[in-house]
Amino acid sequence: KAGVTQTPRYLIKTRGQQVTLSCSPISGHRSVSWYQQTPGQGLQFLFEYFSETQRNKGNFPGRFSGRQFSNSRSEMNVSTLELGDSALYLCASSLDAHGRNEKLFFGSGTQLSVL
Amino acid sequence: DAKTTQPNSMESNEEEPVHLPCNHSTISGTDYIHWYRQLPSQGPEYVIHGLTSNVNNRMASLAIAEDRKSSTLILHRATLRDAAVYYCILLTQGGSEKLVFGKGTKLTVNP
Repeated sequence: KAGVTQTPRYLIKTRGQQVTLSCSPISGHRSVSWYQQTPGQGLQFLFEYFSETQRNKGNFPGRFSGRQFSNSRSEMNVSTLELGDSALYLCASSLDAHGRNEKLFFGSGTQLSVL
Repeated sequence: DAKTTQPNSMESNEEEPVHLPCNHSTISGTDYIHWYRQLPSQGPEYVIHGLTSNVNNRMASLAIAEDRKSSTLILHRATLRDAAVYYCILLTQGGSEKLVFGKGTKLTVNP
């Protein structure tokens, strides 16, 4: 079974631009969540999608948005990029909506550099 | 939010057991204890999770204190591939908004 696939693996953008990251979950998984990882802040939760609906959202500005398609694939968009958005963006999938007894499967991430 | 406390770093020798501690004194009765690890240049990887009883799987064992205020991840025979940052996380009712990763423990395995 293929794992969680994130594309692209690396991305370089300039301030003010926007970016779209893609995540394909494990086949059969219906929940996808996104995380931002930086050396200073560690891993922070962005949002979770289940059955095309956003279930939960972390503490990030509205420039960060996402969506989930009917095949469970998900995209994350960041508009008006800032230098501080440089980070590793990780996607995780799970069989069902994220709950206390649910395992998460992570992709290898997209490394975004904002210049 | 329920929080966990882990040592910043630990060292072990190859083929020796490793005990990674985690304190979670504010844990509630319905919180699950999860462990993930992150190898260099990779996303986190699920290791093990449990609620009250000790748990074993092919990767590790999880020992949970009777009062549930602490737990220990046990790697029975460390290998060089086990060198990673290990995160102890509490999953609270309400979903992944409660999935808070701390700084974790960086495990170094010496050959």
